[in-house]
Amino acid sequence: ETGVTQSPTHLIKTRGQQVTLRCSSQSGHNTVSWYQQALGQGPQFIFQYYREEENGRGNFPPRFSGLQFPNYSSELNVNALELDDSALYLCASSLSIRSEKLFFGSGTQLSVL
Amino acid sequence: GIQVEQSPPDLILQEGANSTLRCNFSDSVNNLQWFHQNPWGQLINLFYIPSGTKQNGRLSATTVATERYSLLYISSSQTTDSGVYFCDLRPASGTYKYIFGTGTRLKVLA
Repeated sequence: ETGVTQSPTHLIKTRGQQVTLRCSSQSGHNTVSWYQQALGQGPQFIFQYYREEENGRGNFPPRFSGLQFPNYSSELNVNALELDDSALYLCASSLSIRSEKLFFGSGTQLSVL
Repeated sequence: GIQVEQSPPDLILQEGANSTLRCNFSDSVNNLQWFHQNPWGQLINLFYIPSGTKQNGRLSATTVATERYSLLYISSSQTTDSGVYFCDLRPASGTYKYIFGTGTRLKVLA
């Protein structure tokens, strides 16, 4: 049990729709990062948030956006869903921007039909 | 960008056997972690090991940063060790971007 919770656990959407995924960080952690994991592959870094500001982004288009709230919970928003967006979405929290140890949630499995 | 490769890609062991998983990377790194992803998708941090050697029970890890590789040792494997093992690193270029390796899929047979 890592203390990082994600919701929902599973989600089915159709192409073109928008989706919001949520993450509650481990208590005391002010840094959160999001990852996309396609079937059979390793997680791919989407972006990281530190104290409500985006701080680092991977190779994902602008339709992937995020928010971090004052209580350090976080959202991942994906607009104009495509079939290739079907994946497991993971969030990870860490104690601070310079703390290297990541604690992952169980993920949200998104299926785009 | 930095390349991260893990070997072997797949491994099948009998319960009780030992194994060594390898993570090679192409550039300097600020930190490196090993994760185990269980069959339900949960990623568990095994080691934070940018250099040196650490041990935790049946598991140990060694990172030789100057030679750009890390090893994860599993001794006396158990069926619960099954899953995918990833190394994850942050390049020394100053970015906060984490990069996962390609993973080793381990299956331990009873």
